[in-house]
Amino acid sequence: GEDVEQSLFLSVREGDSSVINCTYTDSSSTYLYWYKQEPGAGLQLLTYIFSNMDMKQDQRLTVLLNKKDKHLSLRIADTQTGDSAIYFCAESGGYQKVTFGTGTKLQVIP
Amino acid sequence: DADVTQTPRNRITKTGKRIMLECSQTKGHDRMYWYRQDPGLGLRLIYYSFDVKDINKGEISDGYSVSRQAQAKFSLSLESAIPNQTALYFCATSDSQRGQNEQFFGPGTRLTVL
Repeated sequence: GEDVEQSLFLSVREGDSSVINCTYTDSSSTYLYWYKQEPGAGLQLLTYIFSNMDMKQDQRLTVLLNKKDKHLSLRIADTQTGDSAIYFCAESGGYQKVTFGTGTKLQVIP
Repeated sequence: DADVTQTPRNRITKTGKRIMLECSQTKGHDRMYWYRQDPGLGLRLIYYSFDVKDINKGEISDGYSVSRQAQAKFSLSLESAIPNQTALYFCATSDSQRGQNEQFFGPGTRLTVL
């Protein structure tokens, strides 16, 4: 079945850039997503990228997709303490169910 | 008001008890999902429903059952709870008319089985 892998933990200093990485196995993925989970809350979609794109930028967020290597990354510029959360990578074939990764806990040190 | 609500938010129960977790949504979405979250394992899909008459098993359905009572309601049951079902449970919805398949999550139910 589909598999999505992420490292479990990342620690950065406030003001630095954060890069969260993800690898997936499903070559038929149509959409790839980044969800954010703040403490005590459910997941919320942060951004997504269509599989025919290489990059998507949205304010402080940059998503890079290397389809050949099945690698997705999320870069957060000027990381703030409010960015501390768990970030989930996910993939979907479009109209099918979504497969989530293990989540990366981002700790921002003031 | 929250678009996806879950009740209860917290529950402590004993091994062998029957438990029902409920999910309601006001988003008008046709698809609903139940996930469990465990540290280091991420989110795993238990069951999903693409409409009222469609129920599908996810990757970890053993020990669970579901009921889609209406388009807006999707409940998850543990017929005989066991300690390794202690986890954070999330309900989610999505709209099949939206191509990017964004999922909208409830706030979660923390279940502890003693």
